[in-house]
Amino acid sequence: AQKITQTQPGMFVQEKEAVTLDCTYDTSDPSYGLFWYKQPSSGEMIFLIYQGSYDQQNATEGRYSLNFQKARKSANLVISASQLGDSAMYFCAMGRGANNLFFGTGTRLTVIP
Amino acid sequence: DGGITQSPKYLFRKEGQNVTLSCEQNLNHDAMYWYRQDPGQGLRLIYYSQIVNDFQKGDIAEGYSVSREKKESFPLTVTSAQKNPTAFYLCASSTRKGVSNQPQHFGDGTRLSIL
Repeated sequence: AQKITQTQPGMFVQEKEAVTLDCTYDTSDPSYGLFWYKQPSSGEMIFLIYQGSYDQQNATEGRYSLNFQKARKSANLVISASQLGDSAMYFCAMGRGANNLFFGTGTRLTVIP
Repeated sequence: DGGITQSPKYLFRKEGQNVTLSCEQNLNHDAMYWYRQDPGQGLRLIYYSQIVNDFQKGDIAEGYSVSREKKESFPLTVTSAQKNPTAFYLCASSTRKGVSNQPQHFGDGTRLSIL
């Protein structure tokens, strides 16, 4: 069975600083994908970044990068140069069979001006 | 613009009543999904469908039903058997069924409350 753990219920970061949101996972599948989504207060889920279990390099998308450490089963999201608009809930999720997603409980990020 | 449309945005249910949440997508995606989100929690999978006229139960299907008569549409019915329906419901879709590396695209959600 899959498991996703996000141990930080809330995080604060100063505007223009970098922040790391933690995600650890557990699965017995040899092939899997890891996703990060952002959920603003309005409720929609916005896809940020994807990392495949066989990808050799860490994924990057603009200000978002994924620090993937397969042996430690961690897939932390790094947001560089934080902006006020980054304040939101952030969810780590694992892709499983039939492209279903299994979500963690999320981290609430607050960017301080 | 392509996307996923959920309606209504807010819905109220009386005791013993069935209600249906609408989800329509014009992304030409094969797969569609329904999730439930409770306050302070992540999303949990209710039902999913990878092709028209076929769907499978997710982790919390009891008290819910779905249909997939058209590729674009995947309505969710919350039945009277669901004793705690108050939650935020999100619909999603993705391309390339059966592949675990495709991101899901989400609608804006429906907030369901009991009167």
